[in-house]
Amino acid sequence: AQSVAQPEDQVNVAEGNPLTVKCTYSVSGNPYLFWYVQYPNRGLQFLLKYITGDNLVKGSYGFEAEFNKSQTSFHLKKPSALVSDSALYFCAVRDAYSGAGSYQLTFGKGTKLSVIP
Amino acid sequence: DADVTQTPRNRITKTGKRIMLECSQTKGHDRMYWYRQDPGLGLRLIYYSFDVKDINKGEISDGYSVSRQAQAKFSLSLESAIPNQTALYFCATSEQRGFQETQYFGPGTRLLVL
Repeated sequence: AQSVAQPEDQVNVAEGNPLTVKCTYSVSGNPYLFWYVQYPNRGLQFLLKYITGDNLVKGSYGFEAEFNKSQTSFHLKKPSALVSDSALYFCAVRDAYSGAGSYQLTFGKGTKLSVIP
Repeated sequence: DADVTQTPRNRITKTGKRIMLECSQTKGHDRMYWYRQDPGLGLRLIYYSFDVKDINKGEISDGYSVSRQAQAKFSLSLESAIPNQTALYFCATSEQRGFQETQYFGPGTRLLVL
């Protein structure tokens, strides 16, 4: 079974400082990892995904994520936070071992990011 | 994402009522999904459909049913609504690309069951 954990319910960071939103995962096979962002009263927007290759993945709005296989982590990062980055962030995983025809995504519980002016 | 629309955006209903939430997409994707979001629980999959003739139960399908009327339309029904079905409901679509596929979400329907 696949699972994903976001250990922090909330992350507070000052504007201009670097931010990190943590995610760890558990899968049987190779992981396919995704980050989504949800702004207030909006649906989820795709930010980035890791499939294979370079462990550092770059995505939308200046975000990037680092895949670490030994630590089973996929932390979301941004060098300089903006107030407009304040939102709810979800990590999701798909296990390549979950069988043909499955392709289900499992989401974490979400981390609320607050960027303080 | 304007390519995935959901109606209604907000709905208040009473216990025991039947309601339908609708989802339409112009992305031309084969795959469609229904999720519910509850605070502190993230998103949980209710049903998914890989094409018009292929519908599958997700993690929490009890109390729900779906209909895939066309490639572009996927409806979620609550046959007899109960208060613990109060949640934010999202429709999503994806293009068939195997494990690499990315899901794209609609704006959500906020449902309150009294």
